[in-house]
Amino acid sequence: DTAVSQTPKYLVTQMGNDKSIKCEQNLGHDTMYWYKQDSKKFLKIMFSYNNKELIINETVPNRFSPKSPDKAHLNLHINSLELGDSAVYFCASSQTGTGYNQPQHFGDGTRLSIL
Amino acid sequence: RKEVEQDPGPFNVPEGATVAFNCTYSNSASQSFFWYRQDCRKEPKLLMSVYSSGNEDGRFTAQLNRASQYISLLIRDSKLSDSATYLCVVGRGDKLTFGTGTRLAVRP
Repeated sequence: DTAVSQTPKYLVTQMGNDKSIKCEQNLGHDTMYWYKQDSKKFLKIMFSYNNKELIINETVPNRFSPKSPDKAHLNLHINSLELGDSAVYFCASSQTGTGYNQPQHFGDGTRLSIL
Repeated sequence: RKEVEQDPGPFNVPEGATVAFNCTYSNSASQSFFWYRQDCRKEPKLLMSVYSSGNEDGRFTAQLNRASQYISLLIRDSKLSDSATYLCVVGRGDKLTFGTGTRLAVRP
């Protein structure tokens, strides 16, 4: 019963390719997120969607395009992959609007390696 | 200045030791505070929320000082299984900002 699931777990591809990562949560949460964790282990938010609406869009190249078909899914498409995109990408979800201290639950990550 | 600052460690302690981690945050408008734990090559997992009054969960005690913008985590009677990276996390609205983490290694 995985709460937040991402696919694929590993993604190895060449520079210049386009790839997608999928995320689904079965927790009934209304908000989903994408994070990037680089080689220095720094975890940084990229995007957040609440009920399919974009809420947070940090300074991310527009080669990265999130898509949320419904509140249980948030996919990430990356165009023209570059070496610097190599990282672990985590999806997360939370329930908002019920108070401030709402933690986020993370998927187990997608390890993207660009050759 | 980073929004959330932590000592990266590593902290190398024997089993049974008490260890304390500190964290400072720069945004006084921050509203929510957490400690997460991340094992090697795994996802971050919530360890505990942090409340102004301080809170305890078994061997773990978290404290928040809003005036000093300072958060702490105390681990008593360390176990080998406590070895991980501990992430200080500060939230404003729905956005969480993560510290870079403090690495703990507990040795037999």
